[in-house]
Amino acid sequence: DIVMTQSPSSLAVSAGETVTINCKSSQSLLSSGNQKNYLAWYQQKPGQSPKLLIYLASTRESGVPDRFIGSGSGTDFTLTISSVQAEDLADYYCQQHYSYPLTFGSGTKLEIK
Amino acid sequence: QVQLQQCGAELVKPGTPVKMSCKVSGYTFTSYVISWIKQTTGQGLEWIGYIYPESGSTGYNEKFKGKATLTVDKSSNTAFMQLSSLAAGDSAVYYCARREFGVGYFDYWGQGVMVTVSS
Repeated sequence: DIVMTQSPSSLAVSAGETVTINCKSSQSLLSSGNQKNYLAWYQQKPGQSPKLLIYLASTRESGVPDRFIGSGSGTDFTLTISSVQAEDLADYYCQQHYSYPLTFGSGTKLEIK
Repeated sequence: QVQLQQCGAELVKPGTPVKMSCKVSGYTFTSYVISWIKQTTGQGLEWIGYIYPESGSTGYNEKFKGKATLTVDKSSNTAFMQLSSLAAGDSAVYYCARREFGVGYFDYWGQGVMVTVSS
């Protein structure tokens, strides 16, 4: 199974700051066939189900604000949230969609100071 | 709009099974794959398995083989997951989620069912 390791496990920032969340996979998520990275990011607000933000490492899901940016390749990926807003208070998870079983990172809790 | 409607909460006794449902609306049920995901505080999010509603074909995470059984009822646009021989470690929130054919990420999720296993 591909193990997904996220860091940090939690962080607290002030509104307007930029946040970086890291995700590392135990195997490369880069497909040699199409040069795409099979990595997704989700946001889970308190009491809600996860919401898809990013797939294929950097493709933003429809309706997701452009302050959410996914980047990285191979085994190292980043979710950057620029100009954090109070509504971004949530847990963030990465997920590899490269191979079965599909696996998730352990999550990063974002708190707003 | 796309909706995956899951029933509320379940309180079940150890050793008994539970069957939960996921009724979809707003899209063609057989045009997408349904997966089930377990969420606990300790283990985070774990993918359980998938089912193709048209054929009933399934795939499971090895960890959940023998524990989870996925089925569908096309007439009611509903997917089901039965969990057998429940134990304390099965207490969790269980989500159904939709994905397109050929991709492995989930674009719509149900609201989740909280299952509590307790005598």
